[in-house]
Amino acid sequence: EVQLLESGGGLAQPGGSLRLSCTASGFTFSAYSMSWVRQAPGKGLEWVSHISAGGETIYYLSAVEGRFTISRDNSKNTLHLQMNSLRVDDTAIYYCAKDQRRRLVGDAFNAWGQGTMVTVSS
Amino acid sequence: EIVLTQSPATLSLSPGERATLSCRASQSVSNYLAWYQQKPGQAPRLLINDASNRANGIPARFSGSGSGADFTLTISSLEPEDFAIYYCQQRSNWPLTFGGGTKVEIK
Repeated sequence: EVQLLESGGGLAQPGGSLRLSCTASGFTFSAYSMSWVRQAPGKGLEWVSHISAGGETIYYLSAVEGRFTISRDNSKNTLHLQMNSLRVDDTAIYYCAKDQRRRLVGDAFNAWGQGTMVTVSS
Repeated sequence: EIVLTQSPATLSLSPGERATLSCRASQSVSNYLAWYQQKPGQAPRLLINDASNRANGIPARFSGSGSGADFTLTISSLEPEDFAIYYCQQRSNWPLTFGGGTKVEIK
């Protein structure tokens, strides 16, 4: 069974930092691209960042580019999102999500974690 | 950025009725469109990929159609567990984008 477990969320002040992690199991992590998707309270879904299976291709939402850094450690089946210069409008549940198919750069997401809440407030 | 517009925002129907949800893209996305279902307090679940292919384990009452810029998700006969919010998502261009969602509520 595919499982994705996020951690690292919490309360941060504007301008602060948080590092999110997503630990994967039940599939060959190194074969699939992964993404972070967020959802502000009561709002819709917003894609944040993508990393290819080997880590060589990375994309960001323009609103987070230069502030967030996605990375992965395939030896530990772990995905990360380093979030710096946090803003109030970064407040959201952050989900890690797995691409449905191997060897595609950009696919639908057929597995999601339960999400981790990030609150940015003074 | 490709904007996805979903309509209606809310659909009020009774169990057993047919639901028709629309997703319109600001430019062609070919067939690179997916549909998700989200229930309160839960992560989204993939229903349909590539406009019309049901994901593993998704009941046959869910079907997707369309190509280019106009897409439809149809639920042929609503079950009680189908009342939820539905999102479309395109993977044609970066950034990946989602529609604003359609809430299917019990009438």
